Amino acid sequence: AQTIHQWPVAEIKAVGSPLSLGCTIKGKSSPNLYWYWQATGGTLQQLFYSITVGQVESVVQLNLSASRPKDDQFILSTEKLLLSHSGFYLCAWTGSDYTFGSGTRLLVI
Amino acid sequence: QQQVRQSPQSLTVWEGETAILNCSYEDSTFDYFPWYWQFPRESPALLIAIRPVSNKKEDGRFTIFFNKREKKLSLHITDSQPGDSATYFCAASAEHMGYKLTFGTGTSLLVDP
Repeated sequence: AQTIHQWPVAEIKAVGSPLSLGCTIKGKSSPNLYWYWQATGGTLQQLFYSITVGQVESVVQLNLSASRPKDDQFILSTEKLLLSHSGFYLCAWTGSDYTFGSGTRLLVI
Repeated sequence: QQQVRQSPQSLTVWEGETAILNCSYEDSTFDYFPWYWQFPRESPALLIAIRPVSNKKEDGRFTIFFNKREKKLSLHITDSQPGDSATYFCAASAEHMGYKLTFGTGTSLLVDP
């Protein structure tokens, strides 16, 4: 069975500080991977997707970047956090449907 | 521009009643419509999905009704239970859009016991 793991579970970071969020999927080779962002009480906004190692497509950047360093790993990062980056970050993969990881809650202060 | 809209924004029903959640879309090329539910402080999970080849999809107490001509869908939850209290998202995708799944604005459902 496929499992998707996100880390960290939660972060409190200062404005202007760097950020790195990770996502790993096990049990699936060459998965399509996605990053989504959800503001508190809001809808889900797709940020990036990747269909293969080293290739990432941006949907909405929000001053963030993403990388796919390994087949089973997807990284979301920024060098300078903004207050508007606060929210819930979700990694997902597609089999027959989108399956989401448990997410990372980020509070920027 | 919001391509997938949902109404109402919030809905309260009594336990045992039928809850009706509405969804509309603009892009006639959308060909797959999953519904996700999300409980507080959890990630979304797939609830039920439909493709336009059919106008109805049923799974237990959950039924999607689809009207392709009007570009509308609705999710009916019969015999609503307090455990159904969650935020429901309608989503849509199209083959020509590749890997993009567009989510609606969500409906927050509260089922009062």
